Amino acid sequence: RKEVEQDPGPFNVPEGATVAFNCTYSNSASQSFFWYRQDCRKEPKLLMSVYSSGNEDGRFTAQLNRASQYISLLIRDSKLSDSATYLCVVNTRAGTYKYIFGTGTRLKVLA
Amino acid sequence: EAGVVQSPRYKIIEKKQPVAFWCNPISGHNTLYWYLQNLGQGPELLIRYENEEAVDDSQLPKDRFSAERLKGVDSTLKIQPAELGDSAVYLCASSLGAVGIQYFGAGTRLSVL
Repeated sequence: RKEVEQDPGPFNVPEGATVAFNCTYSNSASQSFFWYRQDCRKEPKLLMSVYSSGNEDGRFTAQLNRASQYISLLIRDSKLSDSATYLCVVNTRAGTYKYIFGTGTRLKVLA
Repeated sequence: EAGVVQSPRYKIIEKKQPVAFWCNPISGHNTLYWYLQNLGQGPELLIRYENEEAVDDSQLPKDRFSAERLKGVDSTLKIQPAELGDSAVYLCASSLGAVGIQYFGAGTRLSVL
């Protein structure tokens, strides 16, 4: 089992739709959580950190469920420019700190 | 402020040749990472530095890969000799401490023929 698992997609949604991605992690010692966005042939860029109480940034909402060991990302009112791969990232301490990336979920927003 | 700078952006070599990548992190970031990313996959850590010390190199194939960060600032990653399976994007990232947010460079896309 991978330490961080995501559905690779692609998720094809129409403009204006709401879409949600989940990510599960296996190490209960994981301490911090992030969503990164990666455009085709570009580097990953931080979208948002994920806090225990949940957090929102405009159309984006992130949630953390420590008991079930998953994080989620909700995108409301999807835009064409939201088309990208969304990477779930978990920072785990197992001896030393380590960032573990999921394989990413591809989103295509269609006109 | 400049972000993480990597060079070259692209490199095409024949198998068995050596290749080197260079990374300059964000000023003040003491933690530097080298990742490998294959198509359709997330980045996989090769090595992490805290200042000039390699604190996690467990995933670095040491028979052919080497890295250094002599003055605790910029870093080089070398492959010698390159194999066909090394074709990938090599990403460098930096952060302020081991739990700081990572910022990535644009990457070096390596093609081994």
